[in-house]
Amino acid sequence: EVQLVESGGGLVQPGRSLRLSCTASGFTFGDYAMSWVRQAPGKGLEWVGFIRSKAYGGTTEYAASVKGRFTISRDDSKSIAYLQMNSLKTEDTAVYYCTRDYDSSGYYDYWGQGTLVTVSS
Amino acid sequence: DIQMTQSPSSLSASVGDRVTITCRASQGISSWLAWYQQKPEKAPKSLIYAASSLQSGVPSRFSGSGSGTDFTLTISSLQPEDFATYYCQQYNSYPPRFGGGTKVEIK
Repeated sequence: EVQLVESGGGLVQPGRSLRLSCTASGFTFGDYAMSWVRQAPGKGLEWVGFIRSKAYGGTTEYAASVKGRFTISRDDSKSIAYLQMNSLKTEDTAVYYCTRDYDSSGYYDYWGQGTLVTVSS
Repeated sequence: DIQMTQSPSSLSASVGDRVTITCRASQGISSWLAWYQQKPEKAPKSLIYAASSLQSGVPSRFSGSGSGTDFTLTISSLQPEDFATYYCQQYNSYPPRFGGGTKVEIK
């Protein structure tokens, strides 16, 4: 059974940093691209970024709203994807979901349960 | 960037009703469209990909159609567990973008 479990969320002050983790199981993690999608309270879904599998260079893409502040990485030996968030803003407050990217297509066939990040002073 | 517009933003329906939700892309996306279902306080769940392909395990009362710019999600006979918010998403080009959502409520 495919499982994605996010961790690392919490309350953080504006300008500070936070790192989220996504621990995967039930599939060969290294074969898949992984994405992060967020949802602000009461709002819709917003793509944050993704990381390709090593077979496709392990490169990353980011939404304009987070580019230069957020970094996605992966440790295939541990089946973990990370989202490093720096220079956090109040508008980054959201539930952050880790997703498996089906065939590196941009279609997300499995989602984690999400972790809440609150940016507030 | 490609914009995705869903309609309606909400609807009320009864168990057994046929429900149709529409999604329009601001430019052609071929069939690179997905649909997701989200229940309150839960993560989204994938329903349909490539506009009309059913994700494994999804009931056959869900179906998708369309290509280019206009797409439809249909629930043939609404069940109690189908009351939720539905999102379309284009994955033709980066950045992937979601529609604003359609909330399906009990009449």
